[in-house]
This record gives sequence, C-alpha cells and structure tokens, in this order.
Amino acid sequence: DAGITQSPRHKVTETGTPVTLRCHQTENHRYMYWYRQDPGHGLRLIHYSYGVKDTDKGEVSDGYSVSRSKTEDFLLTLESATSSQTSVYFCAISESRETFDTQYFGPGTRLTVL
Amino acid sequence: GENVEQHPSTLSVQEGDSAVIKCTYSDSASNYFPWYKQELGKGPQLIIDIRSNVGEKKDQRIAVTLNKTAKHFSLHITETQPEDSAVYFCAASGPRVDGLTFGKGTHLIIQP
Repeated sequence: DAGITQSPRHKVTETGTPVTLRCHQTENHRYMYWYRQDPGHGLRLIHYSYGVKDTDKGEVSDGYSVSRSKTEDFLLTLESATSSQTSVYFCAISESRETFDTQYFGPGTRLTVL
Repeated sequence: GENVEQHPSTLSVQEGDSAVIKCTYSDSASNYFPWYKQELGKGPQLIIDIRSNVGEKKDQRIAVTLNKTAKHFSLHITETQPEDSAVYFCAASGPRVDGLTFGKGTHLIIQP
C-alpha cells in the first residue's frame, strides 16, 4: 500500500458524534486525497491537499472537513456523523505536480454510523 | 465535470480466456486514464495507466487501449488466471489537480 496507513481501520459510531479519520504516509508525497466508496457509486473524491495547510473540496465534500499540518498526515473529520456517511474511506497519495494523477491508495477505513 | 461510464458491471470468463472491460469519458480535456484492481477488503491497486499521447500500452498479460476521438478506453486481460478475480475500476483525470473520476467498477469472475 505504498507506505500509507489509515487509522482506525474499522469504526462504529452514533449519529451526531464527531469522527476523525487519519491518513499517514511515509513517502513524503506532496498530494493527498480522501475518497469514499459506496456500492453503485465507485470511488468519489471528498477533499484533497496539495501541500501543508493547502486543501480543496472534491465532488462530495458536504459534511466533511480536512486538515493537513504536516506533510505526512491528512485528517478527515465528520463534525456530526450521519447515517449517510456510512462508507469505506480511502486515502490516496501522489508525488508531485507533474505526477499528481498517479495515485496510490491506502487500505481503507470502514465507518458505520448507527 | 467529468463523467466516466464503465461496462459491464459483472464479467464472467473461463480460466485462460480473455477479458475486456470498457470505459467512456465525457471531458475531452481528460488526459490520464488509470486502471485499478481491488481485492476484497483491500484498497485499489494501480495496475496500468495510459496518457492521451499514447494509443496502447502493454504490461505482460494486461493492455490498455485509448481512443481519444471516441472518448473511450479499454482494459484487456489475456490468459486469465484465478488470481485475476477482483473488482476493476477505470478512472480519468484532466490537467487540473483535482483528483480522479472513477467508473463504478466491474466484478471480474474467473471460472475454473
């Protein structure tokens, strides 16, 4: 998984609680991404980062926020989890502006919101 | 924005036969087309990719072809083996740095 870890790997939480997922990389890659995967939808981009403290929204960003204070860590926060955010979340990384589209994925976090 | 359609959703082939998965995209500015393989419980794994200045690329039993005029690209797997059973995703991206747009996936089943 290209030096990418995600934590936790599994989480069950209740509606209305805050949740933070962590992506950690050891590749020193500049770009990091959060996707969610749902049956019938493939993978959809939530947010991405193009450097420390530099982030932008993806296709399905409502209800999510991100932060990147260090090159190696990219955090995804659900401020108040809802059942529609039950999904598998994947982090991805890419090396540089020239190869930003060559993305490598982590192992995923399965989140269940009851 | 970009839209990627992938067909078929399920493909069953006999071991040793070839498998072909097809994708179309909508944004003519897209210029990078990767394919990912995902096994159960794991993250997507990049298996091959192609850029818009190339029409075909091969890597052992796997090949990808691109037709920019028709805006479609295909994954070809020859001499299929049991370990090829997985879900395969196509994706597309353009010159903007804003992530990949994925197809909905093809579940490839290799029958012994």
